[in-house]
Amino acid sequence: EDQVTQSPEALRLQEGESSSLNCSYTVSGLRGLFWYRQDPGKGPEFLFTLYSAGEEKEKERLKATLTKKESFLHITAPKPEDSATYLCAVNPAGTYKYIFGTGTRLKVLA
Amino acid sequence: ETGVTQSPTHLIKTRGQQVTLRCSSQSGHNTVSWYQQALGQGPQFIFQYYREEENGRGNFPPRFSGLQFPNYSSELNVNALELDDSALYLCAIMEGITGANVLTFGAGSRLTVL
Repeated sequence: EDQVTQSPEALRLQEGESSSLNCSYTVSGLRGLFWYRQDPGKGPEFLFTLYSAGEEKEKERLKATLTKKESFLHITAPKPEDSATYLCAVNPAGTYKYIFGTGTRLKVLA
Repeated sequence: ETGVTQSPTHLIKTRGQQVTLRCSSQSGHNTVSWYQQALGQGPQFIFQYYREEENGRGNFPPRFSGLQFPNYSSELNVNALELDDSALYLCAIMEGITGANVLTFGAGSRLTVL
């Protein structure tokens, strides 16, 4: 069964304290792995797509990496405005369905 | 702004009632998906419409139904509401970026069932 597990569930960081969020996945065939940011009361906002093991993408303080079993979202020197829930999703091959994890709630303290 | 508009933003219904949620996009994309996001959970796939036909469905009962119109706007209908239907309902369009199919979400409709 296709499945996505994210850890930790919640994370509190001091401003400038770098860390990583984990997304473990099991899928029969991977068309793509996606990272989204979701602010309270809003829809998910697209961050990155990764397609194959070894691929990396960067945007400002965020960097996403992908292996055959998991993805990491690295946050370097976070700021309070990075506080949000970060969602990981996989799109299995042969379907347009996206399977989401439950997310990591990130709080960055000033 | 994502270009995906959902209405209403919030609504309250009682158990057993019916609800219709609406979605439209600025560019009239021909593929639209609906997701249910319960509090503290990730979005769960309900179904997808392509050119007015349902072409994929998640593990949701038949009382969840949809429509897509010729202008590619869409509706999600839920009959016989249950308390567990309380959630954020998200509409998403599919956009291709260098071969990828990225879901772009609207802000959602928050449904509370009492």
